[in-house]
Amino acid sequence: QVQLVESGGGVVQPGRSLRVSCAASGFNFSSHGMHWVRQAPGKGLEWVAVIWYDGRDTFYADSVKGRFTISRDNSKNTLYLQMNSLRVEDTGVYYCARGLSRTSYYGMDVWGQGTTVIVS
Amino acid sequence: QSVLTQPPSASGTPGQRVTISCSGGSSDIATNTVNWYQQLPGTAPKLLMYNNNQRPSGVPDRFSGSKSGTSASLAIGGLLSEDEADYYCAAWDDSLNTYVFGTGTNVAVL
Repeated sequence: QVQLVESGGGVVQPGRSLRVSCAASGFNFSSHGMHWVRQAPGKGLEWVAVIWYDGRDTFYADSVKGRFTISRDNSKNTLYLQMNSLRVEDTGVYYCARGLSRTSYYGMDVWGQGTTVIVS
Repeated sequence: QSVLTQPPSASGTPGQRVTISCSGGSSDIATNTVNWYQQLPGTAPKLLMYNNNQRPSGVPDRFSGSKSGTSASLAIGGLLSEDEADYYCAAWDDSLNTYVFGTGTNVAVL
């Protein structure tokens, strides 16, 4: 079955870096754009970044632009989010999600269970 | 970063119909498709509606979506206790080149 499993979350000090990963299975990973979405404790959903199916295009939320980098390895069916210069306000659950298309325009359908990042 | 505006809460008794609105602008809802996501307490979000009014496999037909101009709405007919959740609309924003979520609506079944 289609599955996304995030890993790599943890507690990190402000200003430090962390990389979270998302392992995909059960579908043709290289045919889908992939997103990261986060949710601060008790808050709503905030879109973070998207990468096209071939990695050629990426887009970011203003709140993370210049600090976070989304990437993918289609040979390993894995999505990454490199987070640098972390801030307290980056604390939350980070979800990876499969795009509904090869690009970025149509949102996402399948979500992982999330990995928790605490910046403190 | 722009967001789509939703009422913070909605409620109804079992069997009632509840409608949630989602207000956007000319660069998001007006020009791109709207999705709706359901988030049950303590769980990851789930796609509830895509392409404005299409239900993924397994979503009951009690749920329906519509879009007109810069607004969209989600209707839940025949409300059940299991529908208690947070609901988010979302769309791509062409001017910002970002995906934007609504502010979220918590639905309570009284």
